[in-house]
Amino acid sequence: AQTVTQSQPEMSVQEAETVTLSCTYDTSESDYYLFWYKQPPSRQMILVIRQEAYKQQNATENRFSVNFQKAAKSFSLKISDSQLGDAAMYFCAYRRDDKIIFGKGTRLHILP
Amino acid sequence: DSGVTQTPKHLITATGQRVTLRCSPRSGDLSVYWYQQSLDQGLQFLIQYYNGEERAKGNILERFSAQQFPDLHSELNLSSLELGDSALYFCASSVGDLLQETQYFGPGTRLLVL
Repeated sequence: AQTVTQSQPEMSVQEAETVTLSCTYDTSESDYYLFWYKQPPSRQMILVIRQEAYKQQNATENRFSVNFQKAAKSFSLKISDSQLGDAAMYFCAYRRDDKIIFGKGTRLHILP
Repeated sequence: DSGVTQTPKHLITATGQRVTLRCSPRSGDLSVYWYQQSLDQGLQFLIQYYNGEERAKGNILERFSAQQFPDLHSELNLSSLELGDSALYFCASSVGDLLQETQYFGPGTRLLVL
């Protein structure tokens, strides 16, 4: 069965610094999609970035980028130039067909 | 603001009761997804509808059902409620039904079962 693991329940980073959130997953499939979502205190889920497994190039969205290691089944999120507004829960997610699986989340604190 | 609306924002009810949660997708989106987020189970995918038809099913209990109407809004019906059903219920929408579709989440409905 597919699983998604976020091994860091909480992390802290100084404002303007860079932080990396880890995510590993388990699947026997070769085609799938991976996502990072942000959930701020408002509790809304906001898509941060998406990665197609068939693409070798790592996805990038402004200050957010991923390090996708397909063989290692690793999908980490790097946030550069951290801002106070980045403080939130971050969820890693896997999707293939009917299977949509989320990790337990990493709470990110930004220190001023 | 994602463009997805959910009502009500909060709901308090008693065990054994039935409630209906409503979701309106973004304009132009044909897919609607329902999720349950609780402290112990995390975020769980329940069900997806695409253009009125059930498309994918996740960990949805038999006491729960959903439907998508011709105007594309969706309702999630929860019956015979138990204390453990207390959770935040999210609706999300996407344009189509393809695997690579980005989902846009609504603000959620917080359900408290007493």
